[in-house]
Amino acid sequence: SQKIEQNSEALNIQEGKTATLTCNYTNYSPAYLQWYRQDPGRGPVFLLLIRENEKEKRKERLKVTFDTTLKQSLFHITASQPADSATYLCALLSGYSTLTFGKGTMLLVSP
Amino acid sequence: EAGVAQSPRYKIIEKRQSVAFWCNPISGHATLYWYQQILGQGPKLLIQFQNNGVVDDSQLPKDRFSAERLKGVDSTLKIQPAKLEDSAVYLCASSPRGTGVGETQYFGPGTRLLVL
Repeated sequence: SQKIEQNSEALNIQEGKTATLTCNYTNYSPAYLQWYRQDPGRGPVFLLLIRENEKEKRKERLKVTFDTTLKQSLFHITASQPADSATYLCALLSGYSTLTFGKGTMLLVSP
Repeated sequence: EAGVAQSPRYKIIEKRQSVAFWCNPISGHATLYWYQQILGQGPKLLIQFQNNGVVDDSQLPKDRFSAERLKGVDSTLKIQPAKLEDSAVYLCASSPRGTGVGETQYFGPGTRLLVL
């Protein structure tokens, strides 16, 4: 069966460090993968999209990698700040235009 | 531009009652999505509309859930009768075309439903 796995435990890091979140998937061949941020009581907000033929994508302090051989995406936040504390969701294209989301990983950045 | 609007923001009902949620997508967006997000889980797609036609409703519990998108703009999602396990946040999202080309989905704030 198809599965998307993200770190179930919260990730705690110190301000200024790099946060690395993992998204693993099985039985998918997604054309692309997206990362969203979700704050408590709010809907997800799109951050980055990476296509299957791209190895890496960057946007300001964010970097996403996509390894279709390992079936894994890594999401990095460099020089992390307390304001980066949130839940981060990965989502795969699982149909013609349907996204399937992982459970998300909560990131806590301490001052 | 205005974002996706949803109402109500919160709703508490007893099991077996009915409830309806409303969504107004971003102006001009052809595709509208309803997701269910249970605490600690990621959003799960319930139904996807392209204009006023249904693209995917494979995960919609059709014995109790229904949705419509009249005139290809606003949408309502109804639950009748509600069960305890329907307690969740119901998120509405929209995208310009939704044609599988890697579009961003824009989410509303969600409606938090508690079934007692």
